[in-house]
Amino acid sequence: DIVLTQSPLSLPVTPGETASISCRSTHSLLNYNGYNYVGWYVQKPGQSPRVLMFLGSNRAPGVPDRFSGSGSGTDFTLKISRVEAEDAGVYYCMQGLANPIAFGQGTRLEIK
Amino acid sequence: QMQLHESGPGLVKPSDTLSLTCTVSGSSISNTHWWGWIRQPPGKGLEWIGYISNTGDTQYWPSLRSRATMSIDPSRNQFSLKLSSVTAVDTAVYYCATYHGTERVFDHWGQGTLVSVSS
Repeated sequence: DIVLTQSPLSLPVTPGETASISCRSTHSLLNYNGYNYVGWYVQKPGQSPRVLMFLGSNRAPGVPDRFSGSGSGTDFTLKISRVEAEDAGVYYCMQGLANPIAFGQGTRLEIK
Repeated sequence: QMQLHESGPGLVKPSDTLSLTCTVSGSSISNTHWWGWIRQPPGKGLEWIGYISNTGDTQYWPSLRSRATMSIDPSRNQFSLKLSSVTAVDTAVYYCATYHGTERVFDHWGQGTLVSVSS
């Protein structure tokens, strides 16, 4: 099974700064078709998760361009530029390349 | 705009079967290929349970395959999850969601329902 490891698990950030979250996979998530099957989600307190990114670097509809995804193979990064107070929450990566689908442990973004 | 809503008992006794239904509104269940279930134990991360296609094909998390059964009812625009022989470790918020087969992400989620396993 594919296992995803996120770091850091907790990330305090000052508004206006940039936050970076890493997601490392035990197996390459690059499919033969050239796509990396990695998604990113945010879960705010008391809410359901919401998809932010798909195929590694594509923003979901309505997601601000402050959010960007990068990486290929086994190493992926979610970057949040000009962090705002509303960005607080837990961020998860997920792999959709192979079953069983797996999520990372989550990274809690805390706004200082 | 598609909406999903989970329903079912909030309390289930150990060794009983957990039964949840997800009702879809704003779109026909036949128009989307894959419908999934994800759970989140209190204070913990997300766990994929499985998904079902609009034609009834299923995929399950291996650890739950022997206890989980998903079904779909296009006439009611609903899909369901049954989890047998539950124990306290099955206590979680259960979410239903659509799984985008091309982008391979869960792109619409229900609000979640807490199911507690306790006598």
